[in-house]
Amino acid sequence: QVQLVQSGAEVKKPGASVKVSCKASGYTFIDYYMYWVRQAPGQGLEWMGWINPNSGGTKYAQKFQGRVTMTRDTSISTAYMELSRLRSDDTAVYYCARDGAITGTTLWFDPWGQGTLVAVSS
Amino acid sequence: QSVLTQPPSVSAAPGQKVTISCSGSSSNIGNNFVSWYQQLPGTAPKLLIYDNNKRPSGIPDRFSGSKSGTSATLGITGLQTGDEADYYCGTWDSSLSAVVFGGGTKLTVL
Repeated sequence: QVQLVQSGAEVKKPGASVKVSCKASGYTFIDYYMYWVRQAPGQGLEWMGWINPNSGGTKYAQKFQGRVTMTRDTSISTAYMELSRLRSDDTAVYYCARDGAITGTTLWFDPWGQGTLVAVSS
Repeated sequence: QSVLTQPPSVSAAPGQKVTISCSGSSSNIGNNFVSWYQQLPGTAPKLLIYDNNKRPSGIPDRFSGSKSGTSATLGITGLQTGDEADYYCGTWDSSLSAVVFGGGTKLTVL
C-alpha cells in the first residue's frame, strides 16, 4: 500500500536549521508531486510548497521563500524539507503529503505522512 | 486569519446529519476545485473529498461534498462518535499562487 514515513521528532535552537525526511513506498516515487504542510500546536494547516520528484522542480509558499528548501533522492524514494533560521513560531508538526494523481498537480493530498514534530526552543 | 472561512465548531447527535461550510472568493473556491480533510485527534489529516464532490476509495457515502459559487459544503449523514474530528477545506488560490486551507471545524457528536 502507498505509505509515507517521516523522520522523528527534532528539538532545535532558534537560528538553527532542520531537515525532515519523507520516505515513500508502494508507488513509483517520481510519478507524483510531493507537498509539505505544517500545523502549529492547536492551529490549522499551512501549505509550505511542493517538489516534483521527477525534475526536482519546486514551488514554495511566499511566506517561506528564502528559508525553505525541498529536495529529493530518487534512489531511495525520499523527499526532504529543510527549514533554516528557525524561530519559536516554527514549532509545529510538519507533514509530507503526496499529490492525488499521477500527472501534474491536482492539489489534493493523499496520503499524508505521520508528521514530524519540530520544536524550536532556547 | 485563514483565507477560507469555516465555522469553528458544529455539533449534532448520533445518527443525525451535519453540514460544514467553507467560504472563499473568486480567486480560490470560485475557480478551483475544493478538497476536504478529516483529522482525528492526534493523527495526520486524511482525504475525504476531492474535486468538490468525489470520494476516494474507502470513504463511505455518508460523506459528501458540494460547491456553489465561492462556497463549498461538506455533508456528513448518519453521524457516529468516530466522526468526532477536525475538518478542513482546501483549494488553490490563483491570486496568492498558493494552496490555502480553512481554519478548520471541530465536529462534536453529542
